[in-house]
Amino acid sequence: DSGVTQTPKHLITATGQRVTLRCSPRSGDLSVYWYQQSLDQGLQFLIQYYNGEERAKGNILERFSAQQFPDLHSELNLSSLELGDSALYFCASSVGKMGTSGTDTQYFGPGTRLTVL
Amino acid sequence: AQKITQTQPGMFVQEKEAVTLDCTYDTSDPSYGLFWYKQPSSGEMIFLIYQGSYDQQNATEGRYSLNFQKARKSANLVISASQLGDSAMYFCAMREKAGGFKTIFGAGTRLFVKA
Repeated sequence: DSGVTQTPKHLITATGQRVTLRCSPRSGDLSVYWYQQSLDQGLQFLIQYYNGEERAKGNILERFSAQQFPDLHSELNLSSLELGDSALYFCASSVGKMGTSGTDTQYFGPGTRLTVL
Repeated sequence: AQKITQTQPGMFVQEKEAVTLDCTYDTSDPSYGLFWYKQPSSGEMIFLIYQGSYDQQNATEGRYSLNFQKARKSANLVISASQLGDSAMYFCAMREKAGGFKTIFGAGTRLFVKA
């Protein structure tokens, strides 16, 4: 158990709908990351927050948005869902302090499996 | 350009044998970190080992070691004394300082451990 929690574990919804995925980081971690894992795209970095502020952005669609709240939990909002958004969505957390070599190991949650029908 | 390359889509190893999973990377940043993660069939991503670009020694964590060859830009994962529970997908990842510390993952290698 990494200490990162994600809810829900599974989500089934229809095209055009909007869903919210939730993540609670490990105790003491200030950074939260979101990733999408699909069969055709592999594991893709979406976005990172550090202590409530956006720190890095990856391949996140405009239909997707995220935020990190004062209690450090994070939510990923996916709207106007399409079939291609079906994937496993991971949240990861880390302390957030970068060493010179980009250390700051990320620990992953169990993921939310999203199925869009 | 592909930043992280894992050339072995699948590998088989006999139980109790050692196995090496290949990873090459591409960066011009002198500051970067390399990670390996394991993803069993249950789906979770488990951190295994980390190597920093300035580290002089190869990282080791129990049965896992990282064969870091900086000049060749390779960071191969060595698993010694393979166990049936090692059957999983293994991902190599890199984090560059210049890239804002975004983490890029390779396509993964699926390891099958035979009894």
